[in-house]
Amino acid sequence: EVQVVESGGGLVKPGGSLRLSCAASGFTFGNAWMSWVRQAPGKGLEWVGRIKRKSDGGTTDYAAPVKGRFTISRDDSKSTLFLQMNNLKIEDTAVYYCTTDTDEGFDPWGQGTLVTVSS
Amino acid sequence: DIVMTQSPDSLAVSLGERATINCKSSQSVLYSSNNKYYLAWYQQKPGQPPKLLFYWASTRDSGVPDRFSGSGSGTDFTLTISGLQAEDVAVYYCQQYYTTPYTFGQGTKLEIK
Repeated sequence: EVQVVESGGGLVKPGGSLRLSCAASGFTFGNAWMSWVRQAPGKGLEWVGRIKRKSDGGTTDYAAPVKGRFTISRDDSKSTLFLQMNNLKIEDTAVYYCTTDTDEGFDPWGQGTLVTVSS
Repeated sequence: DIVMTQSPDSLAVSLGERATINCKSSQSVLYSSNNKYYLAWYQQKPGQPPKLLFYWASTRDSGVPDRFSGSGSGTDFTLTISGLQAEDVAVYYCQQYYTTPYTFGQGTKLEIK
């Protein structure tokens, strides 16, 4: 079964840091482009950023609100995607999803992990 | 950035009737090398992650009931649910994945009348 499982969310103070993980299984992770998408409470979906597979350069792209604060990385040997979030702001409070980024849309999605930024 | 605008924001339809959701992109999402629109539709039920319904504007993902259909061209796209069922209550999002930053529509909340 193709699956991704996010973890690492929690409560953090403004200005703090958090590292999310996404464990992938059921597909060749090293061949996949991966994206992070977030959803603030009661709001819509917002793309956060993506990382290409290493054979395509392994480069990253980010949404403007997180650029310079968030970093996406990957460990293909462990089929795991990461999202390092620094200098967190209250408006970063959201459920964070990881998903594969393919020519056929984003699929699958994990259940997400909740990040709450509050003092 | 490509802006995706959905209409309506919410919709109430009777069971068995047709629901139509529109999505407009601020610029083309047609990838010329394969002549495909990089436009996807997702369904999100309460407390669940989004689920892919369609990609390339009209290609139904595996397991999606055929009462769901996707269509459109240019910058205008449509998701149609024919014969609405109770389990179709959800928020529906369109998304362009033609270029980063990928962008989603604001969502359309579908309810039963």
